[in-house]
Amino acid sequence: DIVMTQTPLSLSVTPGQPASISCKSSQSLLHSDGKTYLYWYLQKPGQPPQLLIYEVSNRFSGVPDRFSGSGSGTDFTLKISRVEAEDVGVYYCMQSIQLPPVTFGQGTRLEIK
Amino acid sequence: EVQLVESGGGLVQPGGSLRLSCAASGFTVSSNYMSWVRQAPGKGLEWVSVIYSGGSTYYADSVKGRFTISRHNSKNTLYLQMNSLRAEDTAVYYCARLIVGAYFDYWGQGTLVTVSS
Repeated sequence: DIVMTQTPLSLSVTPGQPASISCKSSQSLLHSDGKTYLYWYLQKPGQPPQLLIYEVSNRFSGVPDRFSGSGSGTDFTLKISRVEAEDVGVYYCMQSIQLPPVTFGQGTRLEIK
Repeated sequence: EVQLVESGGGLVQPGGSLRLSCAASGFTVSSNYMSWVRQAPGKGLEWVSVIYSGGSTYYADSVKGRFTISRHNSKNTLYLQMNSLRAEDTAVYYCARLIVGAYFDYWGQGTLVTVSS
């Protein structure tokens, strides 16, 4: 199975400041179809996960443009340009190039200072 | 509007069984890939099972041989039959729609399964 490793595991950020989360996969997520099967989710407290970014860098419907994704192959990054209070929660990267199984990173907890 | 509503969770003894349901609205379950994902208390997300639109099913190694995913087309409902339950199966179980076999776009609110004596 593909192992997804996130760093850091926790972040404390002042509102208005940027934040960055790294996700590394144990195998390339670039498929022969040209797509890279890397996704980012945010799980707010008491809620199910919600999709933020699909295929590395595409914002899902309704996701603010302060969220951006980048990377290729095995190294990926989620950036929040200016953190807001509503961004609190746990962020997960996920791969689905090798389905089954889908695998998730361990999660990165974002808190507000 | 797409909605997924899970039910069937509860407290069960080790070795017992439980069947989870996920009632869908706003789309057709049988035309989509549907999955179960679980989250142990205070832990991360773990994929459990998927059923493809064609009917093929797959399971995480941790549940293979004990859990069965299925669907009822006329009820537009997804199920997870869980047998031989263990303490480590304790988790919130989410059903989710898997789009183009790639990502989960809609999730239910989850149902809590507690395996304890």
